[in-house]
This record gives sequence, structure tokens and C-alpha cells, in this order.
Amino acid sequence: NAGVTQTPKFQVLKTGQSMTLQCAQDMNHEYMSWYRQDPGMGLRLIHYSVGAGITDQGEVPNGYNVSRSTTEDFPLRLLSAAPSQTSVYFCASSYLQGASGELFFGEGSRLTVL
Amino acid sequence: SQKIEQNSEALNIQEGKTATLTCNYTNYSPAYLQWYRQDPGRGPVFLLLIRENEKEKRKERLKVTFDTTLKQSLFHITASQPADSATYLCAPSKNAGNMLTFGGGTRLMVKP
Repeated sequence: NAGVTQTPKFQVLKTGQSMTLQCAQDMNHEYMSWYRQDPGMGLRLIHYSVGAGITDQGEVPNGYNVSRSTTEDFPLRLLSAAPSQTSVYFCASSYLQGASGELFFGEGSRLTVL
Repeated sequence: SQKIEQNSEALNIQEGKTATLTCNYTNYSPAYLQWYRQDPGRGPVFLLLIRENEKEKRKERLKVTFDTTLKQSLFHITASQPADSATYLCAPSKNAGNMLTFGGGTRLMVKP
């Protein structure tokens, strides 16, 4: 099983460039989310979605856009990259009413903004 | 605002001993508390979920307690092994699996 797949694994951008981090899951999960992880800050929620066509902001949404046109995909767009967006980004998904509450994570995308 | 605290200093223990990690939270009344393991360069992996009406939960060598009065969860690994070395993250939440807020994690090092 593929689980949660993120691409690219590594990316270097220049300030002001835009890019999209891709996330796909094959578990038919309703819930998908994006986190960023910085040293000493832990995982912080950027955006999340509870189903196709529904998205909402998390703790640190500024500078990022998301859309959810299908159940499987949840891309994260950086509109104009800034050095403060240098981080490791994780996509995660789960069932909305899952008994275990398990959140499945991708392997991460490491982004450096110069 | 809600705050989740885990010991940011690494915990070093000898193989075979019991490791105990702490998760404290404030300004929050979660219904669930989850623990995840994260290895370097990898995404977090779910270990256990405990509900507010459960005092203790076990899974193989793992044991989690949840004290809603103290606003604290303890995570124990008994008979620890070098393979248990990783960072452990706690995540209290209102909804199981959704909109999780994570603590900063505690790094565990088990020495042979």
C-alpha cells in the first residue's frame, strides 16, 4: 500500500518563486492536512480539509493556499516563497470517524528558500 | 491559548530500563491524547490513542496514562531497546485524528 505520498522530497527555491507541494493518499480518507515542522517548534498545522471541496485554515496559514478537488489529492501552494518558509512539510490523512484516530503521515518534503 | 509541553532535552537510558516521557498541557480539555514516534528524516508514526475516560492503555511494551486532573500524560516503554531510540510526540485533541496539535517532542536515546 502506498499510504500518503508526498512530492518532491527536496526542493530549493529563490525568494519570490512559487511552487506546489503534492500530496496523495490511497486510503479513501476524508480528512487531509498539512503541517510544517521546524526545530524547537514542533509540528504546526497549516491547512486542513474534511472532504472534497472543503478546506480550512490551521494555526499558520499565511503564505499558503490549498484546494481539495478530489478525495485523494491535497496540494499545498506557496504563492511567493520567503526564507521563513524554509521547513519540512508533512501531509497527513485520516478517517473523520476513525475509531483509532490514527493520523497517517507522508515522508515529508524538505523545502529551502534562499 | 493552549500549550503542550514535552521535555525538550533528550532522555538517555540504558537498555532494559523503563523509559518514561511526559506530556503536559494547559488551557485545554482534550477528549483524546495520542502518541507518535518519529525517526530522523521520516514522518511521525501513530503508536497509541487514549481517551479521557481511560486512565491507562497498553500495547506490547508501551503504556500510556492520561490524568485529566493533572493535565498530563505519561508514556512508558518497558524493557527498552536501542531500536526504541527516536523522538516521541504527544498530541492532545478534541477530535480523534483531526486537527491535532503536537508537542515539540522528546528525543529518547537507549544505549546498549
